[in-house]
Amino acid sequence: GAGVSQSPSNKVTEKGKDVELRCDPISGHTALYWYRQRLGQGLEFLIYFQGNSAPDKSGLPSDRFSAERTGESVSTLTIQRTQQEDSAVYLCASSSNRGAVGAFFGQGTRLTVV
Amino acid sequence: GENVEQHPSTLSVQEGDSAVIKCTYSDSASNYFPWYKQELGKRPQLIIDIRSNVGEKKDQRIAVTLNKTAKHFSLHITETQPEDSAVYFCAARPNTGNQFYFGTGTSLTVIP
Repeated sequence: GAGVSQSPSNKVTEKGKDVELRCDPISGHTALYWYRQRLGQGLEFLIYFQGNSAPDKSGLPSDRFSAERTGESVSTLTIQRTQQEDSAVYLCASSSNRGAVGAFFGQGTRLTVV
Repeated sequence: GENVEQHPSTLSVQEGDSAVIKCTYSDSASNYFPWYKQELGKRPQLIIDIRSNVGEKKDQRIAVTLNKTAKHFSLHITETQPEDSAVYFCAARPNTGNQFYFGTGTSLTVIP
């Protein structure tokens, strides 16, 4: 597609439920990133996929968080047993590894845990 | 790993004045430095970038400078306008991979 696409745009869930967030990267982009942004805060790195290499999971805040990516396509971020502190905007970005180019962000998923 | 620091965290300027945001990085292997603008409720957008083989780059009212020796880079916005009000993030990417390391952001307010 023309840009990074994320779904859903908004998600309200009850505490304790699982949620799944989806990211469709720019076609041909080998790198895919997930970030969390709490209200008024910066970009908190969660996980990074690069081609078929093992993902860098060093930013995942707890074992309730996991992410998958099949090849160089769609990625899903799963949060199990959601807590109120999980409420944030979850941003996905993708990048080409050819030359010096930036990462391009999706519009984000606003997650609210009630 | 890389560590990027960004200053100031907030910046207010009068319309028409210049704004400067500064970032430092720690990893000498970093060779690519993008800047992002995030308007309220929107996604971060890439506005300008610079590679390590260049000292300065300009695009209309915005410019970025890079000092590899001192490991710092700066964003300069001239003739600021109210629509420049946003949060700006710097980032660094080492040549050893494709990971981006972001600064903590600068909230710029341009006062009409």
